Amino acid sequence: GQQLNQSPQSMFIQEGEDVSMNCTSSSIFNTWLWYKQDPGEGPVLLIALYKAGELTSNGRLTAQFGITRKDSFLNISASIPSDVGIYFCAGRSPPSGSARQLTFGSGTQLTVLP
Amino acid sequence: NAGVTQTPKFQVLKTGQSMTLQCAQDMNHNSMYWYRQDPGMGLRLIYYSASEGTTDKGEVPNGYNVSRLNKREFSLRLESAAPSQTSVYFCASNEVSSGNTIYFGEGSWLTVV
Repeated sequence: GQQLNQSPQSMFIQEGEDVSMNCTSSSIFNTWLWYKQDPGEGPVLLIALYKAGELTSNGRLTAQFGITRKDSFLNISASIPSDVGIYFCAGRSPPSGSARQLTFGSGTQLTVLP
Repeated sequence: NAGVTQTPKFQVLKTGQSMTLQCAQDMNHNSMYWYRQDPGMGLRLIYYSASEGTTDKGEVPNGYNVSRLNKREFSLRLESAAPSQTSVYFCASNEVSSGNTIYFGEGSWLTVV
């Protein structure tokens, strides 16, 4: 099956710092999604990317769809304590709305220190 | 707004016991999914149901069965639980025509001893 490598696995940062995480794939994807999972909760969609080179922001979050269509990154600026959680990337191919074609990364555990 | 509701939240089973995880969504979605989440493995699809009356295997279906009881409900059954099935299970739903917003339940923590 398709492989998604997400890094780093975990991060400890000071409040106010910027954060960057990325995912790389062995296959081309047509959609990249970024989710956040709070402790004890299910994942919630943060950003969806549909075109190679696309750069999309959602508040302090910015994500980009890599030109090669095999990678994506997520940046969080000026981190705050509520940013704590696990961030997942997910890729989809072919282009459809079904979650059946989703491949998830293994997640980045983010800890924000006061 | 309830969204996706799954029960139970926590369960401990002995090896060989059976149990059913229940899931219901109130968003009138056609598609529903069951995932398991293991440390360092991300979310892996167990089974999915594209519409009422249909079910299909996902990436890791062995040891599980599902039932799409009606449009709202999609249950996951472990007939003979094994320690390898210790995991966090998530139910999810979406409407394929509306794109990427997949709604997840809060998760069910299952331990098989």
